[in-house]
Amino acid sequence: GQQVMQIPQYQHVQEGEDFTTYCNSSTTLSNIQWYKQRPGGHPVFLIQLVKSGEVKKQKRLTFQFGEAKKNSSLHITATQTTDVGTYFCAAIIIQGAQKLVFGQGTRLTINP
Amino acid sequence: DGGITQSPKYLFRKEGQNVTLSCEQNLNHDAMYWYRQDPGQGLRLIYYSQIVNDFQKGDIAEGYSVSREKKESFPLTVTSAQKNPTAFYLCASNFEGQGFYGYTFGSGTRLTVV
Repeated sequence: GQQVMQIPQYQHVQEGEDFTTYCNSSTTLSNIQWYKQRPGGHPVFLIQLVKSGEVKKQKRLTFQFGEAKKNSSLHITATQTTDVGTYFCAAIIIQGAQKLVFGQGTRLTINP
Repeated sequence: DGGITQSPKYLFRKEGQNVTLSCEQNLNHDAMYWYRQDPGQGLRLIYYSQIVNDFQKGDIAEGYSVSREKKESFPLTVTSAQKNPTAFYLCASNFEGQGFYGYTFGSGTRLTVV
């Protein structure tokens, strides 16, 4: 089935450093969604990108959808301890019905 | 407040037992989903339902069963046929209209086989 690959699997940074996670697909995606899961918690929807080359910002978070709609990235500027968690990209696949397919996630830990 | 309620939060199962995980939503969402998460891994789709009395298998449906008798409820049964059921189970729902929308997740059930 269609897969969404995410790298890196883990990232450890010093507080204040930047962080980026990447999401790739071998096929063109209709959309990409990003979720954050705090340790011990559940995924929470952050944002959705639909248009080719789209860039959206939420405070220190910048989300980008590639021109070919096959890749996406999430960049956090000047990380804070509240950014700790696992970040997932996900794509809605339509095969009859809608299904949300997740990448493996990038676990972000921060040294204060 | 609208949301998804999963219960119980923790569940322990003996070998050979069936257990049922509850998922209730008051968001008036048509679509509901069950995902399984293993430590350090992403979410894998078990079953999904777009409408009452209809559901489809996801990528890892073997050893699981579901029902959708009411719009608000989508319980998941982990049967004794599921050989490795210890995992974190997440229920989600979504509004399916024109376009795509973010999924809302419940707080999950941690199932452990003892």
